[in-house]
Amino acid sequence: DSGVTQTPKHLITATGQRVTLRCSPRSGDLSVYWYQQSLDQGLQFLIQYYNGEERAKGNILERFSAQQFPDLHSELNLSSLELGDSALYFCASSWGQGNSPLHFGNGTRLTVT
Amino acid sequence: TQLLEQSPQFLSIQEGENLTVYCNSSSVFSSLQWYRQEPGEGPVLLVTVVTGGEVKKLKRLTFQFGDARKDSSLHITAAQTGDTGLYLCAGAGDSNYQLIWGAGTKLIIKP
Repeated sequence: DSGVTQTPKHLITATGQRVTLRCSPRSGDLSVYWYQQSLDQGLQFLIQYYNGEERAKGNILERFSAQQFPDLHSELNLSSLELGDSALYFCASSWGQGNSPLHFGNGTRLTVT
Repeated sequence: TQLLEQSPQFLSIQEGENLTVYCNSSSVFSSLQWYRQEPGEGPVLLVTVVTGGEVKKLKRLTFQFGDARKDSSLHITAAQTGDTGLYLCAGAGDSNYQLIWGAGTKLIIKP
């Protein structure tokens, strides 16, 4: 158990809809990262927060947004969903804001129909 | 732009065989991490290598960081079905805030 909790585990929704994915980091970790993983693909970095502030942005679409709250949990909002957004979305946490090893949750599998 | 290339992309071998997976770049990394991801789960950190030429062993898995810190390898001896998974390498590069990820090697060990 990594200590990182992601909800929901599965999400099925229609094109054009909006969803929110939630992540609780491991106790004591200040950084939260969001990754997207399509079928049989590697990890695509989306965004990182450290102690409530955005620290780095990767290949995150403008339709996607995220935030980290004072209690350090994070939410990833995906709007105007398209079929191509179907993927596994992982949250990871680490103690530092640098290149510390990451602890991953088990992901949210999003299916857009 | 720093890139990490993993090879092979896919490997299917019989239980008991040995194998090596590579992670290569033209860039220098301050450290490199190896993760294993099993179906339906998130990646799990296996090891971090920091020093050029460093070798770390984790039971039947041997990790090596190249002398120039541009490449790394993972060698598995006498593979077992439990070694099946996606192996990912991630390098700590120029940016202080994000890792550079390889695309992964999908490993299947057949009984």
